[in-house]
Amino acid sequence: GAVVSQHPSWVICKSGTSVKIECRSLDFQATTMFWYRQFPKQSLMLMATSNEGSKATYEQGVEKDKFLINHASLTLSTLTVTSAHPEDSSFYICSAREGGNSYEQYFGPGTRLTVT
Amino acid sequence: AQSVSQHNHHVILSEAASLELGCNYSYGGTVNLFWYVQYPGQHLQLLLKYFSGDPLVKGIKGFEAEFIKSKFSFNLRKPSVQWSDTAEYFCAGPNTDKLIFGTGTRLQVFP
Repeated sequence: GAVVSQHPSWVICKSGTSVKIECRSLDFQATTMFWYRQFPKQSLMLMATSNEGSKATYEQGVEKDKFLINHASLTLSTLTVTSAHPEDSSFYICSAREGGNSYEQYFGPGTRLTVT
Repeated sequence: AQSVSQHNHHVILSEAASLELGCNYSYGGTVNLFWYVQYPGQHLQLLLKYFSGDPLVKGIKGFEAEFIKSKFSFNLRKPSVQWSDTAEYFCAGPNTDKLIFGTGTRLQVFP
């Protein structure tokens, strides 16, 4: 089946620094990738949608200058949290979808970010 | 506005009990609805989906869901739960371009 990986699985960084999270589709080409954020005991909130080779589309309320998304290839998307603050601490989950008529999103295992 | 809501936040059952988790949506177009499961420490997995056709959808692990358009609902059911069904369950939709997730239902099944 389709597998999506994320790296790192958890990261701790100091306030003010930037951290990059990678999302890879391992056995398929992902035309579209999605980035979600999940707070403890809450649901997933879509942050942005990225199509390979295009700029990401951010959801309302998500700062595009703070959460930089790059989808440079059909198997890799990155999310960079710039100038991280403690309130950015969360669980970040990516998903990937093949192109064409494919509808299913395959989810990565998530990345736990803690900003101290 | 599009929305997906789940009514049950925490459900506790004994093994062999029947399960029904509620999900309602708000959307004026053609709906695509999903149920995902997240086992402890694991990533989201697709349980089942509805796109069109038969409103009773069967998924993996004995789960099924019924799409009732008049009630804007897509409830998840399982006739007899097992301890291994302990997980978080998310309803999502209402279309595939941008999934909105419900708040999730934590299911605990005791032997």
